[in-house]
Amino acid sequence: AQKVTQAQTEISVVEKEDVTLDCVYETRDTTYYLFWYKQPPSGELVFLIRRNSFDEQNEISGRYSWNFQKSTSSFNFTITASQVVDSAVYFCALSLDTGRRALTFGSGTRLQVQP
Amino acid sequence: DTGVSQDPRHKITKRGQNVTFRCDPISEHNRLYWYRQTLGQGPEFLTYFQNEAQLEKSRLLSDRFSAERPKGSFSTLEIQRTEQGDSAMYLCASSLGVVSSNTEAFFGQGTRLTVV
Repeated sequence: AQKVTQAQTEISVVEKEDVTLDCVYETRDTTYYLFWYKQPPSGELVFLIRRNSFDEQNEISGRYSWNFQKSTSSFNFTITASQVVDSAVYFCALSLDTGRRALTFGSGTRLQVQP
Repeated sequence: DTGVSQDPRHKITKRGQNVTFRCDPISEHNRLYWYRQTLGQGPEFLTYFQNEAQLEKSRLLSDRFSAERPKGSFSTLEIQRTEQGDSAMYLCASSLGVVSSNTEAFFGQGTRLTVV
């Protein structure tokens, strides 16, 4: 069975600091998909990025960047120059390429950005 | 299209009562998922539909839970004889086809259930 671990329960930073959210996953499948979602206080999960298991290229989107390393089964997320609006709970998730294709989520990391 | 819509946003009910939640997915999204999220945890899969067919149910879904998706459009999740342990956020998600390298699931804002 697959599993996603987000060891950081809560992180607090001051605005403009860089912050990295860790994600470690477990699966025996060779084809899978990794995701990051943001959950603001309103409750809706907002999609941030997807990555398939064969694409280890890092990705940058504005202040966001993602580092995928199959060797360590990690898919970490970095926010550069954090802003107060980044405050939310962030979830890493995994989906297999077979069966239900539902998402297996980690327990989330609550990020608080102080002004 | 305004995205995945869930109703109600909040529901407080007495233990033993029945409750029903509704989810309206994004138009033309053929896959619809229900998840449950308890405080401090990530969402957990409950069940999913491909069009009108319910294809799988999690072990988390006891016999008191039932879900439907008539005509492959909106979906309802009913909980009978609610228990305090049912208190959680119930999230609905939809996708156009299977979740893959070029398809993601879109989530609604959820229904927060409190059983008193």
